Amino acid sequence: DGGITQSPKYLFRKEGQNVTLSCEQNLNHDAMYWYRQDPGQGLRLIYYSQIVNDFQKGDIAEGYSVSREKKESFPLTVTSAQKNPTAFYLCASSSPTSQETQYFGPGTRLLVL
Amino acid sequence: AQKITQTQPGMFVQEKEAVTLDCTYDTSDPSYGLFWYKQPSSGEMIFLIYQGSYDQQNATEGRYSLNFQKARKSANLVISASQLGDSAMYFCAMTDDGAGSYQLTFGKGTKLSVIP
Repeated sequence: DGGITQSPKYLFRKEGQNVTLSCEQNLNHDAMYWYRQDPGQGLRLIYYSQIVNDFQKGDIAEGYSVSREKKESFPLTVTSAQKNPTAFYLCASSSPTSQETQYFGPGTRLLVL
Repeated sequence: AQKITQTQPGMFVQEKEAVTLDCTYDTSDPSYGLFWYKQPSSGEMIFLIYQGSYDQQNATEGRYSLNFQKARKSANLVISASQLGDSAMYFCAMTDDGAGSYQLTFGKGTKLSVIP
């Protein structure tokens, strides 16, 4: 089945620790995105990538980093510089023929211990 | 800057009835896209419907239709014949292609509860 997978479903971070959230897609989509969702809020864009080896900051990139070494993969690292990382993280991708419509993965819930 | 406003934090609808979820937007770009997503309690965002700013007709997808009123800058979602499985959060979002990045801007959402 084609789709977007995110792992893990739940992630716990200790103070001062970097953690990496995985996002993989087998839809052959060029563009991939990372969003953060806080309780009772809509999604806010962290980073996006339109092609391999290229990515751009979104509205709330501070404290996060990404890489795009393969078309299928767009991992997000939450660094120790992100002081309030507890949130729901959603990865999305879009097709080169229909770049407007983004399709989302199931999400990762990050909690701070 | 783009902005999406959803003024209904929560809505109730009787099963099999129709319901309208409100969305207004603000942008200075002439070319943009409008979207509705559904988020069940599981968390995944499910794409429902898309309307382009130059589309002459309102978009429809099964029981979902988008009431697009460009002059009023509104893009309301209409769900016909509500089902219990429609209970979820609904988000209105927009994107513009001005920067070529198709970034989505989301509203804060409306929680829809379908009553048996």
